[in-house]
Amino acid sequence: AQTVTQSQPEMSVQEAETVTLSCTYDTSESNYYLFWYKQPPSRQMILVIRQEAYKQQNATENRFSVNFQKAAKSFSLKISDSQLGDTAMYFCAFMKPGGSQGNLIFGKGTKLSVKP
Amino acid sequence: ETGVTQTPRHLVMGMTNKKSLKCEQHLGHNAMYWYKQSAKKPLELMFVYSLEERVENNSVPSRFSPECPNSSHLFLHLHTLQPEDSALYLCASSLGQTNQETQYFGPGTRLLVL
Repeated sequence: AQTVTQSQPEMSVQEAETVTLSCTYDTSESNYYLFWYKQPPSRQMILVIRQEAYKQQNATENRFSVNFQKAAKSFSLKISDSQLGDTAMYFCAFMKPGGSQGNLIFGKGTKLSVKP
Repeated sequence: ETGVTQTPRHLVMGMTNKKSLKCEQHLGHNAMYWYKQSAKKPLELMFVYSLEERVENNSVPSRFSPECPNSSHLFLHLHTLQPEDSALYLCASSLGQTNQETQYFGPGTRLLVL
C-alpha cells in the first residue's frame, strides 16, 4: 500500500525568506502523480503544484518549486520569497494512475507560519 | 475560489438528528468525492462518484449515506452519528473518469456531533 510521510508537523519562516517542506512516499509503482495542496486558515484546499513521475524536470509555479527525487521517493516543496499569505497547512499527496478512481493518498500535513 | 461550494459551512447536531451536507461544483466536472479530515490524521477518502455512479466506498459506516443526483451536485446524508464523527468534511471534484485528473476542493463543512 502506498503511504505518504510528512516529517515536519510545523515550520516557520520569516517573510521574504525561503523554506522547504519535505515529503517522502512509498510505492512500488513506476508511474504516478504527486501533488502539493495548500489549506489556508479559511479551509479551502488549493492545488499548489503537480508532478508527473515520468517527467524528469521538476515542476515550478511562480514562487513554488519541487525537488522530485524519484529514486529516493522524495518530493519536497520549496517556497521562495515567502509571503504572509503562504501561512497554511501544506499537504503532500500521491495518486496512482489506473485502479480506483481518483484515489489520492495524503500525508498528515505541515503547518507553515510565515512571520513578518 | 475553486468553483466548488459546500453548505452549510458549520453544523452542530445531536446523535439522534438527521442532517445533510451539500456540495455543488460549477466546473463541468464528471467526478465528485467526499473526504473526512480529522485533527492530526491524513485526509480520508469516503466516497467517489463518477458520472453520478458510486465507484468507491472506503468502508464507510452506513450512518453516512451519499447521494449524487447529477454531475454537479453531491450530498452526504447523516443520521445517528457518533461524537467521533466530528470532523471537517470536504467535497472535491475532478474533470474526467481517469484518475489522472487534479481534484478541486470545496471549503468544507465543520461538523460537531454532541
